[in-house]
Amino acid sequence: DGGITQSPKYLFRKEGQNVTLSCEQNLNHDAMYWYRQDPGQGLRLIYYSQIVNDFQKGDIAEGYSVSREKKESFPLTVTSAQKNPTAFYLCASSMKRAVTEAFFGQGTRLTVV
Amino acid sequence: GNSVTQMEGPVTLSEEAFLTINCTYTATGYPSLFWYVQYPGEGLQLLLKATKADDKGSNKGFEATYRKETTSFHLEKGSVQVSDSAVYFCALSDQSVNYGQNFVFGPGTRLSVLP
Repeated sequence: DGGITQSPKYLFRKEGQNVTLSCEQNLNHDAMYWYRQDPGQGLRLIYYSQIVNDFQKGDIAEGYSVSREKKESFPLTVTSAQKNPTAFYLCASSMKRAVTEAFFGQGTRLTVV
Repeated sequence: GNSVTQMEGPVTLSEEAFLTINCTYTATGYPSLFWYVQYPGEGLQLLLKATKADDKGSNKGFEATYRKETTSFHLEKGSVQVSDSAVYFCALSDQSVNYGQNFVFGPGTRLSVLP
């Protein structure tokens, strides 16, 4: 079955550490997105990519970095510069050239310990 | 820029009650409209969609009609069940030449259905 896989489901980070969240899709989608969700809140866009080797900052990119070396993969690194990283992170993908829905992964819950 | 406004809730209903969650949008073009559902600890799942004015999206007893004249996409269900308890997000997408698809989500509405 096609879909988006995020791993790990739960992640714990110590203060000052960088951590990388994985996102892989086998839907052959060009576009991929990372969102952050805080308790009781909506989704805020961190980064998005419409094509391999290209990505754009979203609304809250500070303290995060991404890469898009393969069409299937769009990992997100939460750096030590992100002062409040505890949140639920959602990866999504969509077709680029048609106005269709976004497909979401199951999310990664990151907690700073 | 584009935006989505929806009633934030929480909404608490008894089983078999009628559900309406209001959603209005602001967009410069002709967006597609979506309702997503999120169960605790999970990602978002597409519930229904509509891609042009007067389209009605429907799924699992839920319905929403794309109303261009009122820029609305209200979600309705005639008889809710306990299993419908979740957070519901209204969203739109449009397409730009440079940046492809752009999704905008509302803040979400938490629905609790009591037996």
